[in-house]
Amino acid sequence: LAKTTQPISMDSYEGQEVNITCSHNNIATNDYITWYQQFPSQGPRFIIQGYKTKVTNEVASLFIPADRKSSTLSLPRVSLSDTAVYYCLVGDEYQGAQKLVFGQGTRLTINP
Amino acid sequence: NAGVTQTPKFQVLKTGQSMTLQCAQDMNHNSMYWYRQDPGMGLRLIYYSASEGTTDKGEVPNGYNVSRLNKREFSLRLESAAPSQTSVYFCATEDRSSYEQYFGPGTRLTVT
Repeated sequence: LAKTTQPISMDSYEGQEVNITCSHNNIATNDYITWYQQFPSQGPRFIIQGYKTKVTNEVASLFIPADRKSSTLSLPRVSLSDTAVYYCLVGDEYQGAQKLVFGQGTRLTINP
Repeated sequence: NAGVTQTPKFQVLKTGQSMTLQCAQDMNHNSMYWYRQDPGMGLRLIYYSASEGTTDKGEVPNGYNVSRLNKREFSLRLESAAPSQTSVYFCATEDRSSYEQYFGPGTRLTVT
């Protein structure tokens, strides 16, 4: 299973753009990169997923360089409600299921 | 639609007791997962089921058993609880078309 490395914590302010970078040097050819968000006392929630280049949805963008050894989650104009833990994962599909490895994640704190 | 439901929400066990954690989904997904999350840590995969009738070990299966009763239900059993199994347990399902996992609200288990 490919392992990921991301900063333990980050701080920012309301209205700013936040970029969280994740490294995954051993990513396999078939692996997708996925980001989840987790609030206290809740299960993780899917944010975005990509394979290469750039993916954008209504809440975030995901930038993946050509070598795919890293990825950057971009949160535009954050608010206090974006304070959460963000996990970068690389999926390993095995017999019809995806075995995700959650690291410690990045604890993002948004200040007023 | 309830999504993914888990029972109970909280449980306290004495060392050596047994119990079953229940998970049910109404999303018609084939893949289901059980994770545990220790304080300040990421989630770790215990067992997963790619489809009805199949189960496989994840990263930390020791001390647990699972049953995929039907497509909707996936239960996790602790035969002889130990303090090291004190954790929050999350059940999840996966949409195979998007690889997005949907998590339940969790069961907070304390073993004394």
